[in-house]
Amino acid sequence: GAVVSQHPSWVICKSGTSVKIECRSLDFQATTMFWYRQFPKQSLMLMATSNEGSKATYEQGVEKDKFLINHASLTLSTLTVTSAHPEDSSFYICSALGTGSVNSGNTIYFGEGSWLTVV
Amino acid sequence: GDSVTQMEGPVTLSEEAFLTINCTYTATGYPSLFWYVQYPGEGLQLLLKATKADDKGSNKGFEATYRKETTSFHLEKGSVQVSDSAVYFCALTGTSGSRLTFGEGTQLTVNP
Repeated sequence: GAVVSQHPSWVICKSGTSVKIECRSLDFQATTMFWYRQFPKQSLMLMATSNEGSKATYEQGVEKDKFLINHASLTLSTLTVTSAHPEDSSFYICSALGTGSVNSGNTIYFGEGSWLTVV
Repeated sequence: GDSVTQMEGPVTLSEEAFLTINCTYTATGYPSLFWYVQYPGEGLQLLLKATKADDKGSNKGFEATYRKETTSFHLEKGSVQVSDSAVYFCALTGTSGSRLTFGEGTQLTVNP
């Protein structure tokens, strides 16, 4: 079964409103979570990396005031798209990593993704 | 910086055909290598991984061998099924040990 769950799977919102997407690790404590954006038929673009209890690290070109990321607990990270516009419509995917690094044997698990449509 | 290059798609095969999807990488040090699969409308699932040179990752009939001398991690399956139709992503984690760098993805379609 899924070890990382995203909610909602689908969301439609009006232009100018804000929408929140949740990412939960179900079976482990995720010290690090990642948020990606994926355009149709393209690869994943890393938006930001968040560590529990600290501010997220955003990739170059990603507006931190536009895409608010909160990682308040070891099992939950949220992405809030503020003042959404149609060009923000996309597939957003989170992933989570437990304590330690991948090189030490941990696995990064992905959520099911969330489709955002801004009308 | 780190990078991953996958063979261009899309790839279309008949059921029971042999599959190879090429993947090469550029990274400093000794990265861990991964193949992820994405079914339509879904997130990514880890298919297999290898963490050191000459390791072979395998799962569900898929295999990939970590070749440091050729900086490659090609995905193979001896006999594909219609249910294997998906997008396949090659990826690596570099010295950070946590941040994934993805290839462009390869769309595989298997026809009955």
